[in-house]
Amino acid sequence: GNSVTQMEGPVTLSEEAFLTINCTYTATGYPSLFWYVQYPGEGLQLLLKATKADDKGSNKGFEATYRKETTSFHLEKGSVQVSDSAVYFCALTSYQKVTFGTGTKLQVIP
Amino acid sequence: ETGVTQSPTHLIKTRGQQVTLRCSSQSGHNTVSWYQQALGQGPQFIFQYYREEENGRGNFPPRFSGLQFPNYSSELNVNALELDDSALYLCASSLRADQETQYFGPGTRLLVL
Repeated sequence: GNSVTQMEGPVTLSEEAFLTINCTYTATGYPSLFWYVQYPGEGLQLLLKATKADDKGSNKGFEATYRKETTSFHLEKGSVQVSDSAVYFCALTSYQKVTFGTGTKLQVIP
Repeated sequence: ETGVTQSPTHLIKTRGQQVTLRCSSQSGHNTVSWYQQALGQGPQFIFQYYREEENGRGNFPPRFSGLQFPNYSSELNVNALELDDSALYLCASSLRADQETQYFGPGTRLLVL
């Protein structure tokens, strides 16, 4: 079956630090890949997505590139802010089924 | 444009009871998916509905069932509740033409005692 593996958190960074959250997947077919964010007390929000190999999704300064050869979709941001503190979920969709990772909590301190 | 809404926000039930959770899709969205999110875990896909028919199902037993109505609102029903059913239940709506872009509601937190 399909699976998504994320780096375990929590991740604690100082403001303006570089962020990488690793995500790897296994899937049948040609999945689409996503990053969702869940801010404290709020619902899941789509952050970015990529639908085929070598696509780069980007939003709000976050980026992730669909790497088929390494089955990865790592999330990066060059300079994090306190407001980026949240839980980040990597996910994939294949044959109308969505599989989420377990989430990585990010805490950014001033 | 209204977002996805869910009711109730919180619910407490006892083991063996039945529960119905409700979801109102984002305006114009004809596809709805339901997820179970245990504490500290990622959401687990329960099932998806399109045009009132189940359109995909995850690894959940038949006591988890759903309905989608002509106005695209939906329900999740869980029979014979078990303690492990305690979780946050999320619904997400999308357009059939772009099922991959899902808009999530805030969830219903269910506690089974």
